[in-house]
Amino acid sequence: AQKVTQAQTEISVVEKEDVTLDCVYETRDTTYYLFWYKQPPSGELVFLIRRNSFDEQNEISGRYSWNFQKSTSSFNFTITASQVVDSAVYFCGYSSASKIIFGSGTRLSIRP
Amino acid sequence: DADVTQTPRNRITKTGKRIMLECSQTKGHDRMYWYRQDPGLGLRLIYYSFDVKDINKGEISDGYSVSRQAQAKFSLSLESAIPNQTALYFCATSDRSPTGAYEQYFGPGTRLTVT
Repeated sequence: AQKVTQAQTEISVVEKEDVTLDCVYETRDTTYYLFWYKQPPSGELVFLIRRNSFDEQNEISGRYSWNFQKSTSSFNFTITASQVVDSAVYFCGYSSASKIIFGSGTRLSIRP
Repeated sequence: DADVTQTPRNRITKTGKRIMLECSQTKGHDRMYWYRQDPGLGLRLIYYSFDVKDINKGEISDGYSVSRQAQAKFSLSLESAIPNQTALYFCATSDRSPTGAYEQYFGPGTRLTVT
């Protein structure tokens, strides 16, 4: 069965530090998608990125970067030079033709 | 205007009451979903619908029912609310793109408290 694990329940760092949020998944599907959502204190879910299983290229968007490694079944998310506005709960997720599942989330707190 | 809307946004109800949460979308997507979010448990799927005539149970459907009144509307009902159904509820939609992706678009959430 498919599974998504975000082992880090909470992370707290000082502003301007780099921080990596881990995401590990389990699947036997050959075609699937991985994604990240951000949930700021206001509660809405903000889509950040989607990656398909055939595209292992890393992606960078400003201070955000994602590292997808099929060899370790991981799709980690790094924030460089973190800012207080990055404080949120971050969810990693998985989707395929038959299933969409989310990890339990990582609460990230950035201290000024 | 938001593509996915949920009503009400906040609701406090008493144990045993029937309550309906409504979701509407203007994205033209076939697929709609209901999730609940609890602290430390992430998002868990309650029900999903791939088209108007298709309803499927998710991970935690007990105590809930749904109705897909039209392509754009998907309602979640709690027939007899209980306190452990206190949670944040999200509706989402998705469509299958040519690449096969199933990106989901979420509504703003409904915070339900059962006393």
